[in-house]
Amino acid sequence: RKEVEQDPGPFNVPEGATVAFNCTYSNSASQSFFWYRQDCRKEPKLLMSVYSSGNEDGRFTAQLNRASQYISLLIRDSKLSDSATYLCVVNRVTGGGNKLTFGTGTQLKVEL
Amino acid sequence: NAGVTQTPKFRILKIGQSMTLQCTQDMNHNYMYWYRQDPGMGLKLIYYSVGAGITDKGEVPNGYNVSRSTTEDFPLRLELAAPSQTSVYFCASSYSQETYGYTFGSGTRLTVV
Repeated sequence: RKEVEQDPGPFNVPEGATVAFNCTYSNSASQSFFWYRQDCRKEPKLLMSVYSSGNEDGRFTAQLNRASQYISLLIRDSKLSDSATYLCVVNRVTGGGNKLTFGTGTQLKVEL
Repeated sequence: NAGVTQTPKFRILKIGQSMTLQCTQDMNHNYMYWYRQDPGMGLKLIYYSVGAGITDKGEVPNGYNVSRSTTEDFPLRLELAAPSQTSVYFCASSYSQETYGYTFGSGTRLTVV
């Protein structure tokens, strides 16, 4: 089983739609969680950290369920500019220090 | 404020050649990383550094070497390039390993033929 799993998509949604991405992680010792955005042929960029209480940044809401080892990202009122690949990232402490594991990403295409 | 700068952006190597991918950051971050990203795969950690003079292997270090003589620079060396090293390489840096996100460079697209 992969340490971080995401549905690769693509998710094709109309502009203005609400879309949700899910991510599961296998190691219960994971401590911190992030969503990154990666545009085609570009570098990943931090979108938001994910906190246990859930957190919101404008149209984006991230949720964490430690019991189910599940992370989600909700995008409301989708814009064309939201089209990108969204990477789920999980961090855990190991004997060798922190280990950041990236999911393979979920592709979002927002259409007119 | 440049962030993380990688050079070159593109490179084609012949099998057996060697090259150095350059990475420099101006944010005074202690932590620096090299990742490779293959199509349909997540980013894989090659090497990382927790400070000047300290480097360590990641998941996929074979065929690569690094050095960290200064806080700013973290070059990645490929010796005897192989087709399996065709990939996109990203350098990243961070203030803290735990709670802060990483800042990535714009990447180097390497093809080995």
